[in-house]
Amino acid sequence: QVQLQETGPGLVKPSETLSLTCTVSGTSVSNYHWAWIRQPPGKGLDWIGLVYGRGKTSYKPSLKGRVTISVDTSKNQFSLNLRSVTAADTAVYYCARDWSWGFGPWGQGTLVAVSS
Amino acid sequence: QSALTQPPSVSGSPGQSVTISCTGASSDVGSYNHVSWYQQSPGTAPKLIIYEVSSRPSGVPDRFSGSKSGNTASLTISGLQAEDEAHYYCTSFTTSTTYVFGTGTKVTVL
Repeated sequence: QVQLQETGPGLVKPSETLSLTCTVSGTSVSNYHWAWIRQPPGKGLDWIGLVYGRGKTSYKPSLKGRVTISVDTSKNQFSLNLRSVTAADTAVYYCARDWSWGFGPWGQGTLVAVSS
Repeated sequence: QSALTQPPSVSGSPGQSVTISCTGASSDVGSYNHVSWYQQSPGTAPKLIIYEVSSRPSGVPDRFSGSKSGNTASLTISGLQAEDEAHYYCTSFTTSTTYVFGTGTKVTVL
């Protein structure tokens, strides 16, 4: 059974970098593509980007330049770095497996607030 | 890229059917059969219920079905049950090799 778990700080200061890690169990990160998705409080889902098992990436156009997603096969993890954050980046951040052009399963999500 | 358009809310009585539309463009929904649907109950992570327009993952009841015509995909819940009350989101792969989510629909069971 594939499971994902997000970890990282729950509070980030404006202009700093938001960094999250997703630890995968039940399969190798090399076998699939992996995504980061966020949900601002009370709002809908927002796709951030994707890392393919061999490291190639794809990002939401409006976030390109601020976002980096990478994979660490030795730790069976993948990570999100979002630079120069503002209050608009406050959200629950989810990691998920890209499977057959759909996302499943998902991690439980982690709330990241951007505030001084 | 613009979010796919979904109705904000739909409702139905137990046993009835409801359909949620997901309207995109020729650059996303209209280009591929890579449309998926998610169910999200309050305080929980979304759950994949339909992938590749109409396929159901193991364990998802066959009350949930999907279809697509042109730039619009649809999710139908037949035999509505109280436990189906949740938010539903669609997503599509795009010609830019990105994904875009729908605006979300709240399903209320009357």
